[in-house]
Amino acid sequence: EAGVVQSPRYKIIEKKQPVAFWCNPISGHNTLYWYRQNLGQGPELLIRYENEEAVDDSQLPKDRFSAERLKGVDSTLKIQPAELGDSAVYLCASSHLAGRSYNEQFFGPGTRLTVL
Amino acid sequence: KNQVEQSPQSLIILEGKNCTLQCNYTVSPFSNLRWYKQDTGRGPVSLTIMTFSENTKSNGRYTATLDADTKQSSLHITASQLSDSASYICVVPIGNEKLTFGTGTRLTIIP
Repeated sequence: EAGVVQSPRYKIIEKKQPVAFWCNPISGHNTLYWYRQNLGQGPELLIRYENEEAVDDSQLPKDRFSAERLKGVDSTLKIQPAELGDSAVYLCASSHLAGRSYNEQFFGPGTRLTVL
Repeated sequence: KNQVEQSPQSLIILEGKNCTLQCNYTVSPFSNLRWYKQDTGRGPVSLTIMTFSENTKSNGRYTATLDADTKQSSLHITASQLSDSASYICVVPIGNEKLTFGTGTRLTIIP
């Protein structure tokens, strides 16, 4: 079974430029998460989707960040314009409750963004 | 405030030695606790998930313990290998969805 796929793996841009990250979750997983992980820190949730609906976007900086999950499968996270402080690893994760009492999340390899 | 604290922040041990990583949490209500391993440049990978009723759980050379009364967990690594070099993150969900991540312990195994 293929894991969570993310692209690109690395991205270097100048500040004020736009950038987009793509995530393909594990097949059959209806829940998709975007996290931001700063160096030496744990991941922080940006947005959670249940199918195509964003059910928790309280931590998403909506002035510059946007996300979409058309058709409830792939997802795209966009930053426009990027700021120096946006440099981080952006992780995508997916999960499927499937009758269990807990919701195990499977993470992709992440996209490392560097804003110059 | 829901928090997960880990110690030590970093650890260096010789290959073949054992080590124990600690996690204290204040998340409530509690449902389960997870340990993840994150290799450099990779996403976190689940090692164990422990529910309220479980005191210990093993996954190969990794053994996790949970004391729900004191709200502490430990991850013991036996006979460490070079491939164990990674960050180990303790994670406690709020409810069943929102994960509260610790800042991790950076483990380095030296030959």
